[in-house]
Amino acid sequence: KNEVEQSPQNLTAQEGEFITINCSYSVGISALHWLQQHPGGGIVSLFMLSSGKKKHGRLIATINIQEKHSSLHITASHPRDSAVYICAVCSNTGNQFYFGTGTSLTVIP
Amino acid sequence: DGGITQSPKYLFRKEGQNVTLSCEQNLNHDAMYWYRQDPGQGLRLIYYSQIVNDFQKGDIAEGYSVSREKKESFPLTVTSAQKNPTAFYLCASSMSPFGLYGYTFGSGTRLTVV
Repeated sequence: KNEVEQSPQNLTAQEGEFITINCSYSVGISALHWLQQHPGGGIVSLFMLSSGKKKHGRLIATINIQEKHSSLHITASHPRDSAVYICAVCSNTGNQFYFGTGTSLTVIP
Repeated sequence: DGGITQSPKYLFRKEGQNVTLSCEQNLNHDAMYWYRQDPGQGLRLIYYSQIVNDFQKGDIAEGYSVSREKKESFPLTVTSAQKNPTAFYLCASSMSPFGLYGYTFGSGTRLTVV
């Protein structure tokens, strides 16, 4: 049983398309993170959310605490967006951090 | 610039040998973590440390050991007791425990045991 589920697992898009990656979780959380992992392996933190919506450039992250669901949107996708996107949650007991298995995104020129 | 440095990026070792992976941070973060990543699986916690000279086992600590003698450093030793050590290892740090205010990740070490 995974505390964090992501969908889809794999996603291929044409350059310019609008992309949505979904994350559902089953535990009480204090914060949710969206992470980006490039082919070399390093991970970069994109967003940390505890409510509402955040926007950074072409990336938008939303969270619905009641529904235990978050989405990551990429507008006007570009090949350089190709990466694995990982959803992670910090439990509200403060002593656990759960990771989804990631969504592998490939954007084709 | 502040960040986490993991070295080496790639590591090859013979079966039965212990190997130590380095993780150094200059962010003044109290908490540090080691995660293991296998294909198709989420990151799994090996060990974590919330303060110098203290560390706790994570979900998959068997066959691994750590130390936290300095705030900046959290090396991970993969011992010969680890049955399947070939994996990608990520070190992370955070200002507060379990990333309540955000995590910083290193670039990872890919360990291959032959």
